[in-house]
Amino acid sequence: DAGVIQSPRHEVTEMGQEVTLRCKPISGHDYLFWYRQTMMRGLELLIYFNNNVPIDDSGMPEDRFSAKMPNASFSTLKIQPSEPRDSAVYFCASSIWNTQYFGPGTRLTVL
Amino acid sequence: ELKVEQNPLFLSMQEGKNYTIYCNYSTTSDRLYWYRQDPGKSLESLFVLLSNGAVKQEGRLMASLDTKARLSTLHITAAVHDLSATYFCAVDLMYSGGGADGLTFGKGTHLIIQP
Repeated sequence: DAGVIQSPRHEVTEMGQEVTLRCKPISGHDYLFWYRQTMMRGLELLIYFNNNVPIDDSGMPEDRFSAKMPNASFSTLKIQPSEPRDSAVYFCASSIWNTQYFGPGTRLTVL
Repeated sequence: ELKVEQNPLFLSMQEGKNYTIYCNYSTTSDRLYWYRQDPGKSLESLFVLLSNGAVKQEGRLMASLDTKARLSTLHITAAVHDLSATYFCAVDLMYSGGGADGLTFGKGTHLIIQP
């Protein structure tokens, strides 16, 4: 299995631009999670889905952030407009039972 | 609000030595995870502990869970340089018993093992 796939791996953008991060979970996994990692705040849960339905989005920092999961094999995390404080590594993870498997992450830099 | 505290946050040790990383959490949970992260890399699952008294071992690493004390430990035996990494513990916000939930992570323990 290819594992969780994320794209792009690196993204550099300017403040105010829209950013879309993409995730393909492991086939057959019914949970998908988005996390963010920064030096200051560590690893934070943003949102998670079960069978493509958002279950808990209380970690989404602001209305500028939105996430979708149109089908079992694809999810997006969008930031519009982006701000420098959004700079972080964004991880997608998927699971079917107990263990969450993390993707390689997208390193986002907002200038 | 669930809080997860690890200590120490930084540990420098010599090869061949033993040491323990501690993970305390603030609310009831029966499911605790340990992950490893190398610099610039993703998180690798090490252990999933699902019940009180659970103990799991893989090579030089052994993890245990005491749900009554809300404490998990990660013990390193005869450390080798390849174990240098950041280790995170994480707890479910709410273990429903039938599914998965988002994880609350500790701040991580940055471990350096010197020859």
